[in-house]
Amino acid sequence: QSALTQPPSASGSPGQSVTISCTGTSSDVGAYDYVSWFQQHPGKAPKLIIYEVTKRPSGVPDRFSGSKSGNTASLTVSGLQAGDEADYSCSSYAGSNNWVFGGGTKLTVL
Amino acid sequence: QLQLQESGPGLVKPSETPSLTCTVSGGSISDSSLYWGWIRQPPGKGLEWIGNIYYTGSTYYSPSLKSRVAMSVDTSKNQFSLRLSSVTAADTAVYYCARLDCSSVTCRFDCWGQGTLVTVSS
Repeated sequence: QSALTQPPSASGSPGQSVTISCTGTSSDVGAYDYVSWFQQHPGKAPKLIIYEVTKRPSGVPDRFSGSKSGNTASLTVSGLQAGDEADYSCSSYAGSNNWVFGGGTKLTVL
Repeated sequence: QLQLQESGPGLVKPSETPSLTCTVSGGSISDSSLYWGWIRQPPGKGLEWIGNIYYTGSTYYSPSLKSRVAMSVDTSKNQFSLRLSSVTAADTAVYYCARLDCSSVTCRFDCWGQGTLVTVSS
């Protein structure tokens, strides 16, 4: 299994929206709705912000939303804030008790 | 409140077999809806799934690491462990333990430890 493909960087100005993509295959992202997104600030552990493609854990602002089309999942951050500047990674179930992560995207708030 | 805490050797030499332990507090490792995983992150790179273990001892490993990985669980201590054999510099990474919650229709890694850096160097 190969890592999911994410753009290395993304950026937006405060208040704007930005979308980060996560491309897999028909064996992982395209096959299951077990797609999650994680936010990771420098030196910190990943924090789950989206699971099951579109769901948010308690406490995660609704400015964060997820979607999926075919083999590509997407994370949209609306109303960008300075505190949203972080690395964002996706993950997906890949069948047969295997999991795969993306390479991560560094989000910069301009 | 569930907490996970990794512990490990920090610095290891090439070809050695380091062991890492994750201690779970604030919850039971024997919960039937939970799996426990190891994920690593080389410096400046993305996350890589290493494997998961169930409280019964069932293990599920990444195909790319399967030949060098062994996981175990100690329910009496609420701990699970990772051993990675024949390490090289490419295994230098922050190693995270995480809870894989499969209590609903889906599964997600919803709680992570703070991570422990393992550096492979002679």
